[in-house]
Amino acid sequence: DARVTQTPRHKVTEMGQEVTMRCQPILGHNTVFWYRQTMMQGLELLAYFRNRAPLDDSGMPKDRFSAEMPDATLATLKIQPSEPRDSAVYFCASGWGANSEAFFGQGTRLTVV
Amino acid sequence: GESVGLHLPTLSVQEGDNSIINCAYSNSASDYFIWYKQESGKGPQFIIDIRSNMDKRQGQRVTVLLNKTVKHLSLQIAATQPGDSAVYFCAENLDMEYGNKLVFGAGTILRVKS
Repeated sequence: DARVTQTPRHKVTEMGQEVTMRCQPILGHNTVFWYRQTMMQGLELLAYFRNRAPLDDSGMPKDRFSAEMPDATLATLKIQPSEPRDSAVYFCASGWGANSEAFFGQGTRLTVV
Repeated sequence: GESVGLHLPTLSVQEGDNSIINCAYSNSASDYFIWYKQESGKGPQFIIDIRSNMDKRQGQRVTVLLNKTVKHLSLQIAATQPGDSAVYFCAENLDMEYGNKLVFGAGTILRVKS
């Protein structure tokens, strides 16, 4: 049963701490997306990768957020330092790229206190 | 005034009736569209897609209609069931010079009354 796996599912942290969220895309997919979902903004695209190369991270606050793909089986999203306004559900999705659907993970619910 | 969050449109339908969820997309150059369903506590789940060279596509109990003239997309659900209650998102594939990206609309809440 191929699926996108995200860890952790829930994270509560104090303001100023570093947060790392991990994603294992579906094997063989060449595109990975990071989205953030909040009540205020809905689903926002933060960054996406094709063949492990970052194509667009214009939706991401550059001063504190970073996204990487160390290898084809792992994508990471880091926030340092975290702030209460970063509280949201962060979704990773993977797919075959242009003109194809993206498959979503279950998300990481982040709460920064 | 201060915003308290997105006010998602809500569609309430009786079980067994047909549902129509609408979406306006932003870019006339978008060439691929997807409808997703999101249940509480879960990630968005693919329902059906359509390419810009088509104006209608049917799946199991669902039909997507595309009107490129007015940049409008709709999702029709036949014989709506309680399990269809969720938030529904349309997404458009934006063609950028460096690649493509999938951008989501605000969503519509579907509530099915038994």
